[in-house]
Order: sequence, then C-alpha cells, then structure tokens
Amino acid sequence: EDKVVQSPLSLVVHEGDTVTLNCSYEVTNFRSLLWYKQEKKAPTFLFMLTSSGIEKKSGRLSSILDKKELSSILNITATQTGDSAIYLCAVLYNFNKFYFGSGTKLNVKP
Amino acid sequence: DTEVTQTPKHLVMGMTNKKSLKCEQHMGHRAMYWYKQKAKKPPELMFVYSYEKLSINESVPSRFSPECPNSSLLNLHLHALQPEDSALYLCASSQVTFLRGPLYNSPLHFGNGTRLTVT
Repeated sequence: EDKVVQSPLSLVVHEGDTVTLNCSYEVTNFRSLLWYKQEKKAPTFLFMLTSSGIEKKSGRLSSILDKKELSSILNITATQTGDSAIYLCAVLYNFNKFYFGSGTKLNVKP
Repeated sequence: DTEVTQTPKHLVMGMTNKKSLKCEQHMGHRAMYWYKQKAKKPPELMFVYSYEKLSINESVPSRFSPECPNSSLLNLHLHALQPEDSALYLCASSQVTFLRGPLYNSPLHFGNGTRLTVT
C-alpha cells in the first residue's frame, strides 16, 4: 500500500532554533515530492523536489530529496514565531495523484 | 489571497439539503482537484479532473457529485450528506504538460476552502 510518513508529528522549539522535518515515502511511479506550509486555511507551496541530492533553498528554509533512501528533509534555520504551522509533505505519483502525509505541527515559542 | 477562488467560505446544511461548492481558477491549469480535510488531518484526495474529464475518483460516496463545466470551473454537488461529512473542502489546480517522456505536473495551488457543517 502506498504511503507517506512524516516525523516528528509535532515539535516545540524556541525562536532561533534550527529544526529538521522528515518525510519518507513508499509509492509506485514516484514523480516528485512537495512541501507545503498550512496555517489556518489553504496549504501554501514551499518546494517541489524531483531530482535526488539537489538542495532547494528559500530564505531560511531548505529541502533536499534522497531517492535512494526514499526520503526528504525540510530544514528551517533561525526559526521565528511566524514559522509556527503544520508542514505537509506530499508525493506526486502515477498520473496527477498528489498524496499527503499526516504533517508535522511546529510550534515556535518566543 | 490565492489564485484559486472557492465559494462559499462557510456552509451549514441539513442532511436533506442539496447544495453546491464552487471553485474557479484563471491560471490556465488543466487539472483540478477536490480534497477533503478533517480537523488535525492531512488533505484527502477525492476527485481529479484532467482536461475537463474525471480521471480519478477515490471511491467517494455518491452523495458527492463533481462537475467540471469548463477548464476554469469546478463544482462539487452535495446531497443527503451525513454529519461526518463536516470538514474543510479544498479545491486545487495544477498545470499539466505533456512533454516527450514523463508527464509534468506543476505544484498544486489551493483555494482557501469551504468550511462545511452538516447538521
């Protein structure tokens, strides 16, 4: 059965800390892995990773895919309270199918 | 604000009512999606339309009926729902490109959702 697993399920840190979120997957016909941030409503897109070993970076956020290990990490450095959210990992597989993991809830305390 | 617009934002309906959720995008995306999200859970895929044709139905009960009138619009018709159907319903779109080799999907762009309560 296809699945996407994220860890940890929740995390509490203080401002300025660095966090690493994990996503592993087992799907047939893998195409890409995506990271989203969800606060109160719609998930907002962060990264799309298709090739293994190539880091994508946006400000304090970065992500990398390891296709050999079937996993990805999302790093956030110098965390701020505005980073508090649920971070969702999604895998695109087969034709048009985006499947989401259960998410990691991040709480950044002042 | 997102480029995918959903209406209404909130909907309360009884179990005998018929209502519709609407979604509109003007990004020229040719794949449109309905997801259902319960509290503290990830979005669950319901339906996918690709080039206005239903391509994926994730075994959704027939009380949910999707419709894609054109490439910009997506509806979800609701009839005889149950209280457990109360959730956030998210619409999303993705560009689909047929290239030489594997098909390319752009990332999903989500609307802000319709918060549905079934009483």
